[in-house]
Amino acid sequence: QQQVKQSPQSLIVQKGGIPIINCAYENTAFDYFPWYQQFPGKGPALLIAIRPDVSEKKEGRFTISFNKSAKQFSLHIMDSQPGDSATYFCAASSEGSDYKLSFGAGTTVTVRA
Amino acid sequence: DADVTQTPRNRITKTGKRIMLECSQTKGHDRMYWYRQDPGLGLRLIYYSFDVKDINKGEISDGYSVSRQAQAKFSLSLESAIPNQTALYFCATSGRTDTQYFGPGTRLTVL
Repeated sequence: QQQVKQSPQSLIVQKGGIPIINCAYENTAFDYFPWYQQFPGKGPALLIAIRPDVSEKKEGRFTISFNKSAKQFSLHIMDSQPGDSATYFCAASSEGSDYKLSFGAGTTVTVRA
Repeated sequence: DADVTQTPRNRITKTGKRIMLECSQTKGHDRMYWYRQDPGLGLRLIYYSFDVKDINKGEISDGYSVSRQAQAKFSLSLESAIPNQTALYFCATSGRTDTQYFGPGTRLTVL
């Protein structure tokens, strides 16, 4: 049973579109929510992360929106480019669990030129 | 990725064989992890180690064992491989911060 539920499993957008990936969790002890990006043949790499004291964080074209009361968070990729085509994983952890990451199932994003 | 290396990168083996996957890191991190990745299931934690004398089971440790030979080396063993252990395996490291750094992965096929 995954502690972090991620959707959709895959999505396809045109260049310039805004793919949105959603994640939900139940464990209210989670206090760190990173997103990892994985290209084919590579290991995941940290993309952006947020803590529950803020509702939004932006880094370049990537934005995390966080809704603590709903226990949901999402990743938006603004002005998406073909180079953004990758698999994206949301994750969550807490100090009480030694910051072990619980990952979502992953979303494969394809950006068409 | 060069800071975390995994060997071999690809391995095909037969049911019942013993397999060892190796991980080395040059980041000077104390914490190391082994994950497996399966389509539709994301990354699941197999074992983790916070220092050489500290080894802990993750959520799917059955059928696996590990050895932390040094701060920089963490090996994963499959004592008797079975087909449902066919997967991508990733090693990761972290320091005292939350960020984990992943290796390039090992694709294991058990026939």
